[in-house]
Amino acid sequence: SAVISQKPSRDICQRGTSLTIQCQVDSQVTMMFWYRQQPGQSLTLIATANQGSEATYESGFVIDKFPISRPNLTFSTLTVSNMSPEDSSIYLCSVETGNTQYFGPGTRLTVL
Amino acid sequence: GDSVTQMEGPVTLSEEAFLTINCTYTATGYPSLFWYVQYPGEGLQLLLKATKADDKGSNKGFEATYRKETTSFHLEKGSVQVSDSAVYFCALSDQGGGFKTIFGAGTRLFVKA
Repeated sequence: SAVISQKPSRDICQRGTSLTIQCQVDSQVTMMFWYRQQPGQSLTLIATANQGSEATYESGFVIDKFPISRPNLTFSTLTVSNMSPEDSSIYLCSVETGNTQYFGPGTRLTVL
Repeated sequence: GDSVTQMEGPVTLSEEAFLTINCTYTATGYPSLFWYVQYPGEGLQLLLKATKADDKGSNKGFEATYRKETTSFHLEKGSVQVSDSAVYFCALSDQGGGFKTIFGAGTRLFVKA
């Protein structure tokens, strides 16, 4: 298993601003994932981040809106850029180990 | 592509009732199957998993059996508690899909005292 922490746990932001979410894992992992969970919805994969290479984005998500960094095997950041109220969601970091995904506690973002 | 379908909620039960949440899947390969639980205001926690046909995953009184012939992975618990109130997500991970996890829509469970 893996223990994952995220910062911040929640934030309220003004439209047009950007927020960077941090994800820290207690062990070295190759693959890290960022998901979005809109209110009352299931999880949607934003991108997969491997250390040493650019993130791979899913359909409907672009790097300009959701830039991701992966500087080492235990850490990643997701930035939500130029936010609008439609970006209000829970953002979850996840890692894959032993063919199982484990999730962080999530960052609850509200955009006014 | 791969997909997961689970029963719509919300499901409302009285304490000590029997729980079944249905989940079926479509996959091109031989996926691993999971149930995740999300308690109010929290992130997802892995509840149980099964990696091959006929495997039974179990945890905290919940169990699910990987049925390849019916492509199902139904979640069951014999006697639910108020503390089981949460959203339950069925999911699959397929090596052919690059180990990405595909989630069902989630089923909200309310347990009344």
